[in-house]
Amino acid sequence: GENVEQHPSTLSVQEGDSAVIKCTYSDSASNYFPWYKQELGKRPQLIIDIRSNVGEKKDQRIAVTLNKTAKHFSLHITETQPEDSAVYFCAPKLGFQKLVFGTGTRLLVSP
Amino acid sequence: KAGVTQTPRYLIKTRGQQVTLSCSPISGHRSVSWYQQTPGQGLQFLFEYFSETQRNKGNFPGRFSGRQFSNSRSEMNVSTLELGDSALYLCASSLVATASDTQYFGPGTRLTVL
Repeated sequence: GENVEQHPSTLSVQEGDSAVIKCTYSDSASNYFPWYKQELGKRPQLIIDIRSNVGEKKDQRIAVTLNKTAKHFSLHITETQPEDSAVYFCAPKLGFQKLVFGTGTRLLVSP
Repeated sequence: KAGVTQTPRYLIKTRGQQVTLSCSPISGHRSVSWYQQTPGQGLQFLFEYFSETQRNKGNFPGRFSGRQFSNSRSEMNVSTLELGDSALYLCASSLVATASDTQYFGPGTRLTVL
C-alpha cells in the first residue's frame, strides 16, 4: 500500500522551542525517507533525508529519526526560528522515483 | 550549477484546450519526475522518465501524458482540460535514479483552467 500519514497538520511554537513532526507509512519496501520544506508560493526544498540503513541523521538544528520496524520517521527541529515557518512534507519513496507525499504540517514559529 | 527550470511559470487555459509544460533538469541528471499539487489532493505523483522511457506512472487519467528527450528535458501534456486540472505542476530531477536518489524540484508551472 501507499498510505502516508503525517501529524500534526498544524503546529504552533514559540521561537526557541523544539518542533517534532511524525510520518507513518505503510509500504515496507520504502528505503528512502526525505523531508521537504515548502514556503508559500515556492518549490519544495529538501531539508534532510535518511536512508533505510541509518537510524538517525542530524544537520545542525534539524534531525530525522527512522524506525523501519514501526514504519515511521520523524523530523525534529530544535531552537526554532521565525524563518522555519513553512509547510513541511514527508515523502517516502516508493519504486522508481515515486515520492508519496504526506498531507503536510503547517509550522508557525512566533517571535 | 543551474537548478531545475520549468516553463512557462504561469498559464491560463479554458476547458477543452490542451497544454504542454516543459522541464529542464539539472545538468547531468537523467531522471525527471512530475507531480501535481492542489489544495484538495496535495502533492501527487504523475510519472517518471529515465533515458526517454516512462518507468512509473501515477493514478491519473490518460489525458495526462509526458515524454523525455535525449538531452533529458521533459514535457508533459494535458489534453481536454478540465477545471479540476488547475494546479501547480512540479517537476523534479535526480542524478541516476536509484532507489535512494535525491529529487530536486523546479519552481513549478501554475496552470489555471477557466
